[in-house]
Amino acid sequence: GAVVSQHPSRVICKSGTSVKIECRSLDFQATTMFWYRQFPKQSLMLMATSNEGSKATYEQGVEKDKFLINHASLTLSTLTVTSAHPEDSSFYICSARESGDTGELFFGEGSRLTVL
Amino acid sequence: GQNIDQPTEMTATEGAIVQINCTYQTSGFNGLFWYQQHAGEAPTFLSYNVLDGLEEKGRFSSFLSRSKGYSYLLLKELQMKDSASYLCAAMDSNYQLIWGAGTKLIIKP
Repeated sequence: GAVVSQHPSRVICKSGTSVKIECRSLDFQATTMFWYRQFPKQSLMLMATSNEGSKATYEQGVEKDKFLINHASLTLSTLTVTSAHPEDSSFYICSARESGDTGELFFGEGSRLTVL
Repeated sequence: GQNIDQPTEMTATEGAIVQINCTYQTSGFNGLFWYQQHAGEAPTFLSYNVLDGLEEKGRFSSFLSRSKGYSYLLLKELQMKDSASYLCAAMDSNYQLIWGAGTKLIIKP
């Protein structure tokens, strides 16, 4: 199956700093990528839909100025958590579709962010 | 509103069969996904159903009834490594996935 790579897998940062997480589709082009957040013992929550070459679509309640998404190419989307705070500590996961709107979703390995 | 319901936790015995149910209500429907997620890891795709009926894939099968808004994941010949959370997700008319909270499956020897 297709491969989605996410980096870094773990990051620890100080409160107030910014952290960038990369999501790459290694062997296919993804016009759409999705960013999720998962708090302990809870389900995945869609944060935003990243569209190549255009602005991301954010879900209700997600601050677009805090969670900056850039989808500059067909194989790379980045999520930047700006001025991170301890409450932003979470598991962040990206996914991408290989083709079409109903194709299988492939997930990155996830990035565990801990803000001290 | 849109909603997915699945049991919070289930327990089964190694070698047995277990069925995890999922009911959904969405604005439009473009298919039902099942994902497996081990603790601390990203979900992995198990199945996708958009037509009524049973789809079999090895030890795992998935069933869909669109008229009833119902799906189930059937796991046969359970192995210890099947201990994980199983996430049900329905795709709405905007192709957005609506996720259930997941069913934690505990396998006992």
